[in-house]
Amino acid sequence: SQQGEEDPQALSIQEGENATMNCSYKTSINNLQWYRQNSGRGLVHLILIRSNEREKHSGRLRVTLDTSKKSSSLLITASRAADTASYFCATGYSGSARQLTFGSGTQLTVLP
Amino acid sequence: GAGVSQSPRYKVAKRGQDVALRCDPISGHVSLFWYQQALGQGPEFLTYFQNEAQLDKSGLPSDRFFAERPEGSVSTLKIQRTQQEDSAVYLCASSLAGTTNEKLFFGSGTQLSVL
Repeated sequence: SQQGEEDPQALSIQEGENATMNCSYKTSINNLQWYRQNSGRGLVHLILIRSNEREKHSGRLRVTLDTSKKSSSLLITASRAADTASYFCATGYSGSARQLTFGSGTQLTVLP
Repeated sequence: GAGVSQSPRYKVAKRGQDVALRCDPISGHVSLFWYQQALGQGPEFLTYFQNEAQLDKSGLPSDRFFAERPEGSVSTLKIQRTQQEDSAVYLCASSLAGTTNEKLFFGSGTQLSVL
């Protein structure tokens, strides 16, 4: 079973617009990570936010975490066609050998 | 190597055949994970190794699935008597130390199609 649920399942925007994806999870976490997957490829790590952090930035990416609501959001600013991919949130639990449990993903399409 | 390498890239098997999927993690990475990804879904955990020790195999769907990492580096995921429901992408990932708050490095996966 999957811990996180991304919303929306699919998102289509124009190049230059911002894209926001949300992730909700069910149990307490140690950290939350976002990954990107291009079609037919493996996942690539984007950003990690710890449970005691509320916001983190990396280039055009901004991640927020609200542990009281058990939710996170990923904002991609000034999107490009090359940002077209599936985006997954993954949650980590302290003491869990499994490390990460992935959500079902948001398929982002950026139209040129 | 520079990244996690998986082979073969694609595998077509007839139902009932045995298959073996290989993963070469990043050199020096202690932890190795296998995930199964169905079309349009996120990766689902299968099993986890720390060095050569298989610490968690609770995600393996049946006793037809077997994984090993005998020397603490290369790992093989074996599926016996394949069934159509085994069709999926099998992803391997590694991490440096296997502690929490670590990111995973993924291979490109093996796409298994069982006919």
